[in-house]
Amino acid sequence: DQQVKQNSPSLSVQEGRISILNCDYTNSMFDYFLWYKKYPAEGPTFLISISSIKDKNEDGRFTVFLNKSAKHLSLHIVPSQPGDSAVYFCAAKGSQGGSEKLVFGKGMKLTVNP
Amino acid sequence: EAGVTQFPSHSVIEKGQTVTLRCDPISGHDNLYWYRRVMGKEIKFLLHFVKESKQDESGMPNNRFLAERTGGTYSTLKVQPAELEDSGVYFCASSPWEGLETQYFGPGTRLLVL
Repeated sequence: DQQVKQNSPSLSVQEGRISILNCDYTNSMFDYFLWYKKYPAEGPTFLISISSIKDKNEDGRFTVFLNKSAKHLSLHIVPSQPGDSAVYFCAAKGSQGGSEKLVFGKGMKLTVNP
Repeated sequence: EAGVTQFPSHSVIEKGQTVTLRCDPISGHDNLYWYRRVMGKEIKFLLHFVKESKQDESGMPNNRFLAERTGGTYSTLKVQPAELEDSGVYFCASSPWEGLETQYFGPGTRLLVL
């Protein structure tokens, strides 16, 4: 039973355009959400996060939107750059039983074409 | 500041052998986590240490896996005896006591069991 879902395995966009990466979750106990970026043969790198008490968090070119009623979050990258090409993981954390474990989606490969 | 480091970067062993993976968290980080990504699947939580204590080991697949964090600094994850399905990338992550939300990942150890 996958609690965090990234339904699109890949996305290709042109440099300078907007990239929108989507993520859905099923567990209403999740209260913190994170996006990680991963290059081949490297570990996931933290990108941006959002608490469930907010609906938007912005950091430079990256903005994460959270729609709690729909159990949906998205990552917007504007403008997209070729260096953004990587696999992006959505992750969630809940306060159930004091566990701090992250639950990840399967990832989505973003390709930004020059 | 040095990031999370993991050793070895790669390991190829035969079924039935023993392998020990090491993780050095970011200095001063009390929380240490182990995750695993099996080919093509999501990154899955294995366990969480707070200093030298196991806070959550709900993700450990079976008793062939043994994790330790003596002294609350580096951690080891031993697989004994290794099976084919243990192949994958093992990631370690750490976070400080304050700001538990963001976990910082190491580059991973790629384990192949033949």
